[in-house]
Amino acid sequence: DAGVIQSPRHEVTEMGQEVTLRCKPISGHNSLFWYRQTMMRGLELLIYFNNNVPIDDSGMPEDRFSAKMPNASFSTLKIQPSEPRDSAVYFCASNKLGGSETQYFGPGTRLLVL
Amino acid sequence: AQSVTQLGSHVSVSEGALVLLRCNYSSSVPPYLFWYVQYPNQGLQLLLKYTSAATLVKGINGFEAEFKKSETSFHLTKPSAHMSDAAEYFCAVRRYTGTASKLTFGTGTRLQVTL
Repeated sequence: DAGVIQSPRHEVTEMGQEVTLRCKPISGHNSLFWYRQTMMRGLELLIYFNNNVPIDDSGMPEDRFSAKMPNASFSTLKIQPSEPRDSAVYFCASNKLGGSETQYFGPGTRLLVL
Repeated sequence: AQSVTQLGSHVSVSEGALVLLRCNYSSSVPPYLFWYVQYPNQGLQLLLKYTSAATLVKGINGFEAEFKKSETSFHLTKPSAHMSDAAEYFCAVRRYTGTASKLTFGTGTRLQVTL
């Protein structure tokens, strides 16, 4: 079975540009999580969805960040405009509601904002 | 609120030596606890989990962890370290709000294995 798929794997952009990160969860999973990992702050939960509905976005740093899940097999995390402090690795994870609670992580997108 | 604390951001052991990575939890309800491993430039991978069944949990790659309620601990161990165990390890606790469930991760422990 394919795991969680994220694209792109690497993104280099200039300050002020829009960045869109994409995630395809494991088929049959109905919860999706976006995390950010930095040396300074560790692993932070940004937002998560149950059945395509955002449940908790309290971790989203500011209005420049937005996330959508238009269907069960696709989610995006958008940063507009991007800033150098957004440089991090962004992970997507998924699991099945009512299941084992195990979250399965994608390989991450390494973002560098110049 | 549920939380975890990992003691020691870096641990170094010799190949063949015992690995012990410490995790203490805080939870007002019986916790679900997890250990994840992250190899360089990869996502997190589940090592093992405790979900209120057996207190000694065995995971992949020879790792195990013991849930000790009296000590509020869930330490990760492996009898004999291998070079391939060098990675970052994260302890996590499930936070359940009644309608949704999420994980809260510790700050991680980087394991170095030397010859």
